[in-house]
Amino acid sequence: DQQVKQNSPSLSVQEGRISILNCDYTNSMFDYFLWYKKYPAEGPTFLISISSIKDKNEDGRFTVFLNKSAKHLSLHIVPSQPGDSAVYFCAALVGSGGGADGLTFGKGTHLIIQP
Amino acid sequence: SQTIHQWPATLVQPVGSPLSLECTVEGTSNPNLYWYRQAAGRGLQLLFYSVGIGQISSEVPQNLSASRPQDRQFILSSKKLLLSDSGFYLCAWSTGANQPQHFGDGTRLSIL
Repeated sequence: DQQVKQNSPSLSVQEGRISILNCDYTNSMFDYFLWYKKYPAEGPTFLISISSIKDKNEDGRFTVFLNKSAKHLSLHIVPSQPGDSAVYFCAALVGSGGGADGLTFGKGTHLIIQP
Repeated sequence: SQTIHQWPATLVQPVGSPLSLECTVEGTSNPNLYWYRQAAGRGLQLLFYSVGIGQISSEVPQNLSASRPQDRQFILSSKKLLLSDSGFYLCAWSTGANQPQHFGDGTRLSIL
């Protein structure tokens, strides 16, 4: 059972436009969500996170939105740049307090920025 | 600043051979440490995590084991590798629960 789903394996966006990556989850216990970016032959790089007590978090060109009632989050990148071309992973965590639970990842979305 | 190192970057091993992958973290103390695996066509899956020296928790039953002999050292091992152990292995660290995890560059393991 996949608890974190990224239903779009790939997404193509023109340079300068907005990229919107989507993620759905099924486990209502998740209370911390993260987005990672990954280039080939490298480990994932942390981009931005959001706690379940918030519905939006912004960091430069990156904004993450959380809709808890829909169990949905999205990552907006604006404006999109060629260097943003990579695989983006959505991840979630159950913050049980004092624990060190691992992240549950989606399968990723390959973002391609077209010049 | 904190850094995480994993080695080797790639490894080809025969079925039945032993395995030892090492991960070290610099620039932080008492980190939480994690081993993940990404098998072909699948997402990242947590294998082990550790909140301190000698403390290992396993998430899935498997042919692998982990050890944490020092505060910033995390080792993934196997006595006899199986074909199904092939994959991309990633080590990560964090400062605690509900904190971002930061990943190494991974080891691509191929079993022949």
